[in-house]
Amino acid sequence: DAGVIQSPRHEVTEMGQEVTLRCKPISGHDYLFWYRQTMMRGLELLIYFNNNVPIDDSGMPEDRFSAKMPNASFSTLKIQPSEPRDSAVYFCASRPQGAGETQYFGPGTRLLVL
Amino acid sequence: RKEVEQDPGPFNVPEGATVAFNCTYSNSASQSFFWYRQDCRKEPKLLMSVYSSGNEDGRFTAQLNRASQYISLLIRDSKLSDSATYLCVVNRGGKLIFGQGTELSVKP
Repeated sequence: DAGVIQSPRHEVTEMGQEVTLRCKPISGHDYLFWYRQTMMRGLELLIYFNNNVPIDDSGMPEDRFSAKMPNASFSTLKIQPSEPRDSAVYFCASRPQGAGETQYFGPGTRLLVL
Repeated sequence: RKEVEQDPGPFNVPEGATVAFNCTYSNSASQSFFWYRQDCRKEPKLLMSVYSSGNEDGRFTAQLNRASQYISLLIRDSKLSDSATYLCVVNRGGKLIFGQGTELSVKP
């Protein structure tokens, strides 16, 4: 079975550029989560969706970050403009409705902003 | 203060050792509890849920004390393959809150 798919796996960009991260959740999963992981702050929830609707975006650091889920099989996290402090690993996770809280993580996107 | 706190480690132990990880959480509204495992440069994966009655999965035993807001993980007869970072996780209102993780290195 295909797990959560993320692309790109690695991204190197220059400060000020726009970055778009992509996620395809596991088919049939109703919840989708975006996380950011850094050495300093650990794993932080940025935003999550239920049935394509954003439920809680309180973890989104600032207006430079935006996330969309146009359909059940695709989500994007966009950073515009990017800054060096955005360098981190960004994970997408999904889970089905009523499955307890087990979330299935994608392999992550390693972002480096120079 | 972080909502979920763990021993940062690293824990360096020989094969066959027993090792215990501790975790405390600050929000009494936390509803459910887990241990996740994260290998180097990989994504987190669920290791086990944690129940008040305590639960065991092979060499792994998890305990929860709601009164003290304390969670533990015991690994017996540790293997080289147990080397990873162990993340203490609480569910609060449908959101998973992760601890910083405790790094374990099992040596031959």
